[in-house]
Formats: sequence, structure tokens, C-alpha cells
Amino acid sequence: AQSVAQPEDQVNVAEGNPLTVKCTYSVSGNPYLFWYVQYPNRGLQFLLKYITGDNLVKGSYGFEAEFNKSQTSFHLKKPSALVSDSALYFCAVRDISSSNAGNMLTFGGGTRLMVKP
Amino acid sequence: EAQVTQNPRYLITVTGKKLTVTCSQNMNHEYMSWYRQDPGLGLRQIYYSMNVEVTDKGDVPEGYKVSRKEKRNFPLILESPSPNQTSLYFCASSLLGESASYEQYFGPGTRLTVT
Repeated sequence: AQSVAQPEDQVNVAEGNPLTVKCTYSVSGNPYLFWYVQYPNRGLQFLLKYITGDNLVKGSYGFEAEFNKSQTSFHLKKPSALVSDSALYFCAVRDISSSNAGNMLTFGGGTRLMVKP
Repeated sequence: EAQVTQNPRYLITVTGKKLTVTCSQNMNHEYMSWYRQDPGLGLRQIYYSMNVEVTDKGDVPEGYKVSRKEKRNFPLILESPSPNQTSLYFCASSLLGESASYEQYFGPGTRLTVT
């Protein structure tokens, strides 16, 4: 079984400060990991993914995430937050060894990021 | 432009009145899926389809039906909607196969209210 936890319902950060949105996962094999962002009244937009290779993954809008296998984490980061980054962020995981292709991705509960001017 | 479209975007209906939410993708994706999003619960999968005429239940299928008669379309059907189906619904699609990375493309969402 695959699962994802986003321990924070909301993260508040001042504009210009670094931000981190936390994500931990559980899989029996190796993971594919994803971050999506949802702006108000919009669908989920893909930000970045980790499939294999370098543990530091760079994505859209200046975001990056670090895969840490020992801590089973995939935290989303940005060096300098913008007010326009305020949105709902979802982490998602797929167990590569899963035989259930239908349950393609398991999503976390979401973390609301609030960036204040 | 590669996209997933859903219609309608907003729908208010009454208990028991059958409705259909359409979903269409233009990326020739084999895999399509329906999710519902509720506060604090994230996205929960309702149904998915691996290809034409191949559908299966997700985590919360009760009260919903789907069909996949064409590769591009995957409608969600509520035969007798109830207030507990008030939610935000998303359709998504993805490639399958050895080269696939399982990245999903999402539609804009349908906000359904059942009174």
C-alpha cells in the first residue's frame, strides 16, 4: 500500500523568506513522487516530480524538492516566497512496485500556503 | 493545446435528479480517473479507466457510475445524487506503458452542490 502525509494544514511565511512544505510517504518499494499546486477555482497543476537520479529536483515557478530516502520525505522548498505562491499544495506518491496501476497516485491531504506581504 | 476539459464547471441540483459530468482529453492518454476533493481529505479516487471499455472502482465509488466508450471521453454519472455528494470533482488523465512516469493532467474541476 502507498500513503502520503502532509503534516501541516497551513504554512504561513512572509514574502521574500524561504518556504518549506513538508511531505512524508510510505511505500513498500521505491517511490515516484510528485508535487501539485492548486490555485483558487483552478485544477491541480503539476509542479515537479522525482523519478530517479538526483535527489534535488527543480520544477516550475522556482520550486524545488529534495528526495530523502532514509527519512521517506519529499519536502517542497523555495528560497524566496512570493505572494502569488499562495495556494493549496498537494504531494502525491506512487509505489513503483505496485501491481495496481489503477490506483495510480495517492495524494496527501494538502497544505495551504499563505505568503504575506 | 494539450488539456483536460470538464463540463459543467458549476452545478446545483436537487436530490435524486440524475446528472452527468463530462470529461474529455486530447492527449491520447490511456488512463483516466475521477477524484473528489473535500476539505481535509485531499483527493479521493472515485473510478478509473485503463483504456476503452476498461473501468474499475477507486476508493469511493458508491453512488457513481462511469463509462469509457471512446478513448478521449470519461463521463461521471450520478444516477440519484444525494447531499453527501456535494463536492469538487476532478477528472485526470495519464499515459500508461513502460515510458510513463504516471504524471497526471487535471481538468479545471466541477463544483457540484446537491440540495
